[in-house]
Amino acid sequence: SYVLTQPPSVSVAPGKTARITCGGNKIGSKSVHWYQQKPGQAPVVVTNYDSDRPSGIPQRFSGSNSGDTATLTISRVEAGDEADYYCQVWDTSSDHQGVFGGGTKLTVL
Amino acid sequence: QVQLQESGPGLVKPSETLSLTCSVSGGSINNYYWSWIRQPPGKGLEWIGYIYYSGSTNYKSSLRSRVTISVDTSKNQFSLKLRSVTAADTAVYYCARIRTVASDFDYWGQGTLVTVSS
Repeated sequence: SYVLTQPPSVSVAPGKTARITCGGNKIGSKSVHWYQQKPGQAPVVVTNYDSDRPSGIPQRFSGSNSGDTATLTISRVEAGDEADYYCQVWDTSSDHQGVFGGGTKLTVL
Repeated sequence: QVQLQESGPGLVKPSETLSLTCSVSGGSINNYYWSWIRQPPGKGLEWIGYIYYSGSTNYKSSLRSRVTISVDTSKNQFSLKLRSVTAADTAVYYCARIRTVASDFDYWGQGTLVTVSS
């Protein structure tokens, strides 16, 4: 089965840039979606199809995807960005399976 | 604005069947895919499966033998049944919408905690 690997934690100071990676075999050939989840809440999609941004998501959130790594970049980080972030793809190699990364806890220092 | 709401028992005994329903409001269940996702306490997200409004389904390989997802378009609802549960099935269960088989989960329910315990 397809595996997505994320760092367990990333720390960043307010106003700086946070980069959260998501590793997978040839992930660049797949569409990657990123979700933000705050404590006690359902996840919210912050970028989809590698680098698109759903309506209402600040431009500070951007995504990229190439080779074996997809990246979620959060510019000018704010305290309110502190949350868990998950990457997600659909694996069509054998069957159509939804796959999530293990999640990354973003801490704003 | 589409809204999803999970409902069902919060406590299920080991070896029994977990049953949840997701009610969709603010939009039609037709022409979309509908999914179940779960999250054990303190852990990450796990996709369980999805159903198209027409009734076709796809499940996570490791859960396929125990899972059934069904849809009732007349009630704008879809449901999850997970058989032979164990403590490892204790989780917050979310229902969510998918626009196409390649898209993100764009609308989510608030989630419901199901505990497996005797």
